[in-house]
Amino acid sequence: GAVVSQHPSWVICKSGTSVKIECRSLDFQATTMFWYRQFPKQSLMLMATSNEGSKATYEQGVEKDKFLINHASLTLSTLTVTSAHPEDSSFYICSASWGREPGNTIYFGEGSWLTVV
Amino acid sequence: GQNIDQPTEMTATEGAIVQINCTYQTSGFNGLFWYQQHAGEAPTFLSYNVLDGLEEKGRFSSFLSRSKGYSYLLLKELQMKDSASYLCASMDSNYQLIWGAGTKLIIKP
Repeated sequence: GAVVSQHPSWVICKSGTSVKIECRSLDFQATTMFWYRQFPKQSLMLMATSNEGSKATYEQGVEKDKFLINHASLTLSTLTVTSAHPEDSSFYICSASWGREPGNTIYFGEGSWLTVV
Repeated sequence: GQNIDQPTEMTATEGAIVQINCTYQTSGFNGLFWYQQHAGEAPTFLSYNVLDGLEEKGRFSSFLSRSKGYSYLLLKELQMKDSASYLCASMDSNYQLIWGAGTKLIIKP
């Protein structure tokens, strides 16, 4: 079964509104969580890395004021897309790791489809 | 339940061929993805199969048999840079990705 769960799986929101996506680690305490977005048949694009209790580190080109990431506990990270626009419509995937070392196993969530209308 | 199985680790020799297998059981099926992930980096898309058969893309090929719930990734002319984890993921009827745990491929000279 899944060890990392995302919610909601599907969300439709109106342009200009905000939407929150949750990522939960079910079987372990996730020291580090990653957020990605993926367009069809393209690679996962890393948006940000969040470590529990500290501010997220955003990749170049990702607006931190638009994509708010909170990792307040060891089992939950949230991505809030603020003032969403149609171009934000995408497949958002989170992953979680219990360590910060590159070799630690990373588990992926099921993904969340966001459609902005 | 939904499940993806792939070997944990494989070792191969530079210049050789390796096949990484993946079996899946998901609620519905909307395609099978393969990704390559180097340590500390985001996964890179390799292939997407939704119909039975073999799809070739350079040194990498991916095969799908929907009736058997089986896929494999074939890597030819292995190079040292191919050392990475290879993730198999099935998309279910809700268009959600069910991920395998990944196969760590070690390439030896």
